[in-house]
Amino acid sequence: DVKVTQSSRYLVKRTGEKVFLECVQDMDHENMFWYRQDPGLGLRLIYFSYDVKMKEKGDIPEGYSVSREKKERFSLILESASTNQTSMYLCASSLYPPERKGYTFGSGTRLTVV
Amino acid sequence: QKEVEQDPGPLSVPEGAIVSLNCTYSNSAFQYFMWYRQYSRKGPELLMYTYSSGNKEDGRFTAQVDKSSKYISLFIRDSQPSDSATYLCAMSPYNNNDMRFGAGTRLTVKP
Repeated sequence: DVKVTQSSRYLVKRTGEKVFLECVQDMDHENMFWYRQDPGLGLRLIYFSYDVKMKEKGDIPEGYSVSREKKERFSLILESASTNQTSMYLCASSLYPPERKGYTFGSGTRLTVV
Repeated sequence: QKEVEQDPGPLSVPEGAIVSLNCTYSNSAFQYFMWYRQYSRKGPELLMYTYSSGNKEDGRFTAQVDKSSKYISLFIRDSQPSDSATYLCAMSPYNNNDMRFGAGTRLTVKP
């Protein structure tokens, strides 16, 4: 069974901390994405990557950075965590072209910043 | 105006009911239309995938796309308590790197 694995299900961090969220996929997908999901706002794209060492800003990149050193791993970094970054973070991957399979999502990391 | 509009519900129906979930959109460049199902404390999973206009059926689920009206629907027949989840519509233009999601509709099917 193909998988996208996010390293943590729940995280609690303090304001100002540097936070790393890790995501690994085992499907040899080219594309990887980071979203945050908030009630009433749906999924908002933070960053995506279509190849190793490549990254593109999404709709809400401020306060975040990403790293993709290997094809299977895509990391989201909160440089200095703030309370407004409390959210559910979802990693996804996909083939390119999509071949009618859409995105495969991880189970999410619920981050609380206190 | 949001690019993709979806009524967040919540929607509660009795077991066996026909459920209709809908989204509207404003970007005429969208060509790929999807429905994802998200159970509590899980990530979304792809439920239906449709290219351009038309209908697609898969078991109890039917997806409809009307590009002329910029309107998509998901119908669930003979709904079951196991269908209780949040349903998100999603759509993208010519590639898979610019997918837009609705806010999701929370559905509860009561036994």
